[in-house]
Amino acid sequence: NAGVMQNPRHLVRRRGQEARLRCSPMKGHSHVYWYRQLPEEGLKFMVYLQKENIIDESGMPKERFSAEFPKEGPSILRIQQVVRGDSAAYFCASSTFSGEQYFGPGTRLTVT
Amino acid sequence: GENVEQHPSTLSVQEGDSAVIKCTYSDSASNYFPWYKQELGKRPQLIIDIRSNVGEKKDQRIAVTLNKTAKHFSLHITETQPEDSAVYFCAEFAGAGSYQLTFGKGTKLSVIP
Repeated sequence: NAGVMQNPRHLVRRRGQEARLRCSPMKGHSHVYWYRQLPEEGLKFMVYLQKENIIDESGMPKERFSAEFPKEGPSILRIQQVVRGDSAAYFCASSTFSGEQYFGPGTRLTVT
Repeated sequence: GENVEQHPSTLSVQEGDSAVIKCTYSDSASNYFPWYKQELGKRPQLIIDIRSNVGEKKDQRIAVTLNKTAKHFSLHITETQPEDSAVYFCAEFAGAGSYQLTFGKGTKLSVIP
């Protein structure tokens, strides 16, 4: 299966803990996007990365959130000191340059 | 992209009837308009897309039309089936200088057998 992979699929964290979400793009894709989806809402752009570069982080909250896409390995979205409002589904998508974006299965984060 | 409005928010149709979902956008630089289908608890799946140099595109029972002058685009599903029931999202992409998809709020389509 050469689709976009995300793990974990479900993540439960207590308030104040850290959450790490991983995304492996489709084979041949070098562009990764992270989106957040609140219940019964659309997807909101967070960040766009290429290997070792953050290209556009205009949708990322200024504090506690960070993203990386290292030379080797998956892209990681990191949320420090999680709060209840961070509970959402986080989707990663990948594409070729300016191409169609294909989504992974998502990570459903629950903060208790 | 700046803003995408999607209507209706819910839509119920009888099996076999057609369904139409409409979106409007504000960024005149937008040049790519995908539609995604999302079933409950699943990933958004790209079902059809259209680029700004084309007015209409069709794939079996699904078609998308684009009116660049009026800045709106529509999804048409004909001969609907129960498995078409899902939430449908339109999106737009402004291309160079902007790398994000801006999504509408979604339309929950229910196809009644």
